[in-house]
Amino acid sequence: SQTIHQWPATLVQPVGSPLSLECTVEGTSNPNLYWYRQAAGRGLQLLFYSVGIGQISSEVPQNLSASRPQDRQFILSSKKLLLSDSGFYLCAWSGAWGVNQPQHFGDGTRLSIL
Amino acid sequence: AQKVTQAQTEISVVEKEDVTLDCVYETRDTTYYLFWYKQPPSGELVFLIRRNSFDEQNEISGRYSWNFQKSTSSFNFTITASQVVDSAVYFCALSEARGAGSARQLTFGSGTQLTVLP
Repeated sequence: SQTIHQWPATLVQPVGSPLSLECTVEGTSNPNLYWYRQAAGRGLQLLFYSVGIGQISSEVPQNLSASRPQDRQFILSSKKLLLSDSGFYLCAWSGAWGVNQPQHFGDGTRLSIL
Repeated sequence: AQKVTQAQTEISVVEKEDVTLDCVYETRDTTYYLFWYKQPPSGELVFLIRRNSFDEQNEISGRYSWNFQKSTSSFNFTITASQVVDSAVYFCALSEARGAGSARQLTFGSGTQLTVLP
């Protein structure tokens, strides 16, 4: 069966520091991968999605970036965090076979910027 | 532009009551998919159901049921005989086709916080 791992679960970072969140998927190949952000008390905002290695599409201009160095690895990064980057970050995957496969989410990372 | 509206921000019910969570969507696509997700306090999103735009048959899964009405662009979710463990934020989402490959991007509603009191 497929599983998705996301770490760290919780992160507290000072303003201006770098960021690296990692997500890996097991049990499937060539998945579509997604990064979402959920601000407190609000819905989910799609940040990036990827259909293959090295292929990244950005939905929202910001100081974040994403990379997919391997088929089942998706990384969210920032060179300098802002206070507004605080939130709950979720990684998700969906199958590339067929159409409209449901997205399956990791446990999320709670990021607090001080 | 695609849009999903969950007008109910918060709902509180007493255990064993039935509760319906509303979802209204907007899309220009003739083919689309609708989803419901559950987000318990622990934070992860749990996939509950997917429904395509050509299938208006209502679906029941245990205490959960979904009513899809294309004429009113609604995809409502009913929990029968609610339990405390049903307490969570529930999200309705709509998929659209955009970009390369088969990636389907979800447009989420703002969520409904359901609290089931013992």
